[in-house]
Amino acid sequence: SQQGEEDPQALSIQEGENATMNCSYKTSINNLQWYRQNSGRGLVHLILIRSNEREKHSGRLRVTLDTSKKSSSLLITASRAADTASYFCATERGYQKVTFGTGTKLQVIP
Amino acid sequence: EPEVTQTPSHQVTQMGQEVILRCVPISNHLYFYWYRQILGQKVEFLVSFYNNEISEKSEIFDDQFSVERPDGSNFTLKIRSTKLEDSAMYFCAIDVLGVSGANVLTFGAGSRLTVL
Repeated sequence: SQQGEEDPQALSIQEGENATMNCSYKTSINNLQWYRQNSGRGLVHLILIRSNEREKHSGRLRVTLDTSKKSSSLLITASRAADTASYFCATERGYQKVTFGTGTKLQVIP
Repeated sequence: EPEVTQTPSHQVTQMGQEVILRCVPISNHLYFYWYRQILGQKVEFLVSFYNNEISEKSEIFDDQFSVERPDGSNFTLKIRSTKLEDSAMYFCAIDVLGVSGANVLTFGAGSRLTVL
């Protein structure tokens, strides 16, 4: 079964607006990561949050983690057209097995 | 220069043929992963590899698949007898263990495999 499920599946916003994507997972985790993928390219690591952390910031990115609800959110503030991409959450299951969610396709309209 | 180089960038093959996809990291790494992504769909874990041995593999990674590190630097994924459903992007990733000890992945640009 899929460890990470993102919602929404697709999101379209105007440049300058904030974008929020959510991720739910099933089993306990040590950490949760978010990656970005431009169309047809490899994934790029954005941010990691550990299971004992509730919130983390990196530039325009803000990630929250609620281990009691097994969910995480990624907020991109003041979005830009260049933020258009797919965003995936990822969790580690077992030793050296990083599993990705289904992804959210974000479109930022200039 | 990318940290991970994958070749070929695109390969077209006939069903039943063998395919070898290659991954070359810019520096020596011990941890490798292969993922595949069918067009527009989720990124699926195939296998992880540490110190010349498979660490984990998914149910997708059946007997048709194998991984090798033939010369200590290149890392290959072989599909013995390709099927139509093997058409996908195949991504290699290396594991850059940070201070946190987590498996943070750096991906190559991918190899697109088209099986006819």
